[in-house]
Amino acid sequence: QKEVEQNSGPLSVPEGAIASLNCTYSDRGSQSFFWYRQYSGKSPELIMSIYSNGDKEDGRFTAQLNKASQYVSLLIRDSQPSDSATYLCAVRGNTPLVFGKGTRLSVIA
Amino acid sequence: KAGVTQTPRYLIKTRGQQVTLSCSPISGHRSVSWYQQTPGQGLQFLFEYFSETQRNKGNFPGRFSGRQFSNSRSEMNVSTLELGDSALYLCASRGLAGGTSSYEQYFGPGTRLTVT
Repeated sequence: QKEVEQNSGPLSVPEGAIASLNCTYSDRGSQSFFWYRQYSGKSPELIMSIYSNGDKEDGRFTAQLNKASQYVSLLIRDSQPSDSATYLCAVRGNTPLVFGKGTRLSVIA
Repeated sequence: KAGVTQTPRYLIKTRGQQVTLSCSPISGHRSVSWYQQTPGQGLQFLFEYFSETQRNKGNFPGRFSGRQFSNSRSEMNVSTLELGDSALYLCASRGLAGGTSSYEQYFGPGTRLTVT
């Protein structure tokens, strides 16, 4: 059973701080890794994808991948109240996308 | 480019009835996947279609079925509805055009199904 684990939170950070979201996965053959943001009552929105070890930056977001440790993370710099949402980690190997249950982030103004 | 569209957005059905949900992928996208999202179970994969063929199927009973048409639009059907089928049903599409972007999957707004 391929699994993706995330801390459910809530993770509370003050406005302007760095939010760090973490994800571990069980399938060593996984090749593609994604972060989705889901606001309450809305559908998931793709915000980052990463395919190789290391860091990938896009604006205030940085995704980090360590395949040896089977670990993916998402850093959100200068967190804003509008970043308050549930963040879903998703992993694909030779199977369909497997999602974690998400981490709820709350950015306090 | 228009996003993934799903109809209807909201649906209320009675136990025992059946329901059909529709999804139109992003223009040019040929793969469509369906997911069920509930507060307890999170996002669970139902099935994926490409070129009118089911490529993968999740661990759901046979009451859940789907199909894809030649224009890549997809429908999913749930027969003999149960109370536990109440959920947000999400459709997602991806391009399969090659390169890493083909792995990126984009979701529609979802259909909120309530079974009473």
